[in-house]
Amino acid sequence: AQTVTQSQPEMSVQEAETVTLSCTYDTSESNYYLFWYKQPPSRQMILVIRQEAYKQQNATENRFSVNFQKAAKSFSLKISDSQLGDTAMYFCAFYNYGQNFVFGPGTRLSVLP
Amino acid sequence: DAGVIQSPRHEVTEMGQEVTLRCKPISGHDYLFWYRQTMMRGLELLIYFNNNVPIDDSGMPEDRFSAKMPNASFSTLKIQPSEPRDSAVYFCASSADRGNEKLFFGSGTQLSVL
Repeated sequence: AQTVTQSQPEMSVQEAETVTLSCTYDTSESNYYLFWYKQPPSRQMILVIRQEAYKQQNATENRFSVNFQKAAKSFSLKISDSQLGDTAMYFCAFYNYGQNFVFGPGTRLSVLP
Repeated sequence: DAGVIQSPRHEVTEMGQEVTLRCKPISGHDYLFWYRQTMMRGLELLIYFNNNVPIDDSGMPEDRFSAKMPNASFSTLKIQPSEPRDSAVYFCASSADRGNEKLFFGSGTQLSVL
């Protein structure tokens, strides 16, 4: 069974600085998808970024980018120019076609003014 | 598109009462999922439907929980009777198809059972 680990329960960063959230996963599959979801205090789960395992190029969405290391089974999220609105829980998730999403335990990120 | 719509946003009830949570998926999405979120267990998949048919309910904790999807635009999750340990945030999510692999979540229902 796939597992997703986020080793940082909480993190903080100063506004405008850069922060990296870690995620590792375990799978025997070769084709799969990885995601970062954001859950702000409003509780809404919002898709931040998505990576397809067969693509070597790291995904980027504006200030958000990932460092995908397939051999190491690592999928970290980098947030550049942090903003107060980035304060949220961040969940790493794994998906393989035909199976269910597996979510990590989450990292609580606080952006400090 | 209004996104996935859940109601109520908050529900407070007493132990033993019946609770019904509601969800309207995004129009055109064939898959609907019910998740439960707690501090201890994180996000857990309870059940999912494909074209209104329940496919996997192995995550439903016990017989007190039931879910239905009478049509493509509506689903319910019912707890009867409710217990304090059912207190959690319940999310509904939908996706266009299994291969699409993008989950769109509703805002969740915060359930408190006293």
